[in-house]
Amino acid sequence: DVKVTQSSRYLVKRTGEKVFLECVQDMDHENMFWYRQDPGLGLRLIYFSYDVKMKEKGDIPEGYSVSREKKERFSLILESASTNQTSMYLCASIAAPNTGELFFGEGSRLTVL
Amino acid sequence: DQQVKQNSPSLSVQEGRISILNCDYTNSMFDYFLWYKKYPAEGPTFLISISSIKDKNEDGRFTVFLNKSAKHLSLHIVPSQPGDSAVYFCAASGSGGGADGLTFGKGTHLIIQP
Repeated sequence: DVKVTQSSRYLVKRTGEKVFLECVQDMDHENMFWYRQDPGLGLRLIYFSYDVKMKEKGDIPEGYSVSREKKERFSLILESASTNQTSMYLCASIAAPNTGELFFGEGSRLTVL
Repeated sequence: DQQVKQNSPSLSVQEGRISILNCDYTNSMFDYFLWYKKYPAEGPTFLISISSIKDKNEDGRFTVFLNKSAKHLSLHIVPSQPGDSAVYFCAASGSGGGADGLTFGKGTHLIIQP
């Protein structure tokens, strides 16, 4: 079965803390993505990666960085968390490259106090 | 500038009736259009897609219609069931096949009334 696993479902962090969100896929997909979902704003692309050690900025990269040291793992890093980064974070890998269909993980709900 | 628009934040439909969710787009270079369904505290799940060269795609109770000249697509669910209550996102991919990600609308919250 296809699987995208996000290590933490719920996190609570304080302003200024460094936050790591981990994502692992078992499908040998090359393309991986990080989105955030906020009510009334839909899903917005933060960063994506098309290969190991490669990364590209999405629509809202400010305040975030990513790491892709291994093909199966794509990490999202908040260097200094702020309250406006409270959100649902969704990792995905590309399931069907011709259509763009993405397979999503279950999400990580981050609250920054 | 929003390239994929879902203008109805919510929609309430009676069980057994047809649900019609609408989506408009501005970028004529989009190649594929997809619908995702999302329950609270879960990741979105893929529902159905349509190529820009087609005008209709059907999968069981779900049908997507594409009107390229109007840059409009719609998702029809017939008959609507309680388990269909969720947020539905319209998404589009460019000629790169989505290698640089999908562009999503803001979502429509579908509520199926018993």
